[in-house]
Amino acid sequence: KAGVTQTPRYLIKTRGQQVTLSCSPISGHRSVSWYQQTPGQGLQFLFEYFSETQRNKGNFPGRFSGRQFSNSRSEMNVSTLELGDSALYLCASSLDGARSTGELFFGEGSRLTVL
Amino acid sequence: AQSVTQLDSQVPVFEEAPVELRCNYSSSVSVYLFWYVQYPNQGLQLLLKYLSGSTLVESINGFEAEFNKSQTSFHLRKPSVHISDTAEYFCAVTKASGGSYIPTFGRGTSLIVHP
Repeated sequence: KAGVTQTPRYLIKTRGQQVTLSCSPISGHRSVSWYQQTPGQGLQFLFEYFSETQRNKGNFPGRFSGRQFSNSRSEMNVSTLELGDSALYLCASSLDGARSTGELFFGEGSRLTVL
Repeated sequence: AQSVTQLDSQVPVFEEAPVELRCNYSSSVSVYLFWYVQYPNQGLQLLLKYLSGSTLVESINGFEAEFNKSQTSFHLRKPSVHISDTAEYFCAVTKASGGSYIPTFGRGTSLIVHP
């Protein structure tokens, strides 16, 4: 079974630009979550999508958005990039939350550098 | 609301020595507990988990963790570490019932194994 795939792995942007990151979950997983990881703040939850609907949202500004497609693939978008958005963005998938034990399967992440 | 405290941000240890990484949590409901490991430039991988039953859980690479409900702890131990165990370790907790869930992660402990 293929794991969680995130693209691109690395990218460099400048302030004010926008970026779109992609995540393909494990086949059969319907929940996709996004996390931001930085040395100072650790792992911070961005949002979770389930069956194309945002089910949970973390405490991030509206510049951070996401969506999920009918095949469970997900994208997240950050607009008007700031230097502080430089981070490793991790995607994680899991089974149906109602039956799930909460175990997450992570991708290798997309490392974003904002100059 | 749940919270997770990893008491040590960094734990240096010599190869073949024992190690304990500490994790305490707070929650008003029953929980599932997890340890994830993150190797450099990779995403998180599940190391072991406690769902129910025996309070001592083991991983395939020699780590073990014990759920202590009275002390609300889930410390991770290994009797003899290897250089390859050098990584970031994250403790996480989710509630054990209810539909939607979002795991809460600790800030992480960097295990550094010296030769």
